[in-house]
Amino acid sequence: AQTVTQSQPEMSVQEAETVTLSCTYDTSESNYYLFWYKQPPSRQMILVIRQEAYKQQNATENRFSVNFQKAAKSFSLKISDSQLGDTAMYFCAFMKHLNTGTASKLTFGTGTRLQVTL
Amino acid sequence: ETGVTQSPTHLIKTRGQQVTLRCSSQSGHNTVSWYQQALGQGPQFIFQYYREEENGRGNFPPRFSGLQFPNYSSELNVNALELDDSALYLCASSSTQGIPPYEQYFGPGTRLTVT
Repeated sequence: AQTVTQSQPEMSVQEAETVTLSCTYDTSESNYYLFWYKQPPSRQMILVIRQEAYKQQNATENRFSVNFQKAAKSFSLKISDSQLGDTAMYFCAFMKHLNTGTASKLTFGTGTRLQVTL
Repeated sequence: ETGVTQSPTHLIKTRGQQVTLRCSSQSGHNTVSWYQQALGQGPQFIFQYYREEENGRGNFPPRFSGLQFPNYSSELNVNALELDDSALYLCASSSTQGIPPYEQYFGPGTRLTVT
C-alpha cells in the first residue's frame, strides 16, 4: 500500500514571496505518478502540477514547480511570486501506473493549508 | 465542454437513513471515482467505476455501493448512515483515451451531515 505524508499542516507566505510545501511518500512501485492538487474554499479540487516517476526532469507550470527526489521519495512544491488567489489547501497525491489500460486511484496526503498575506 | 457536476450540494440525514449522491461525468469520460473527505483530512478512495463495472474499492464497508450508467453518470449510495459518514463526498471522472496518467477531474462535492 502507498502512503503520502505532508508534515506541514499550515503555512503562511507574503504576497510575491516564494514558498515550498513538503511531501514524502512510501511505495514499492517503480512506475507511478505524483500530483499536487489545490482545494480553495469553494471545495473544487484543481490539479496544479504532475510528475511522472520515470522522468528525471522536474515538472514546471508557470509559477509552480516541483523538486522530485525519487530515491528519497520526496516531492515538494514551490510556488513563486505568491498571489492572494493561491490561498487554499494543497494536497500531494500518488497514483500507481496500471498496465490494464484503466485509471488508478489517487492516494492523498492530509494537506497543507497555505495562507497568502499582503 | 461541461465539467463534473454533483448533486445535491448539501444534505442533512439522520443516523440509520439511506442516501444517494449523484455525479455527472465530464463529456467523453468513461471512468468515475468516488472519494470521502472528512473535515481536515485528505480525500479517501471509496471505489471506482469503469464502463459500468466496479473497478477497484477502498477500505469502505459494503453499505457503500455505487452505480455507473451508460451515459457514464454515477451514483453513490450509503445505507444505514452513521455519524462518521459526515463528510464531503467528491466525484472525479477521467478518460482512458490517450496516454497515462489518466487525469481525474473533480466535481465540487456534496457535503453530507449525519445527525
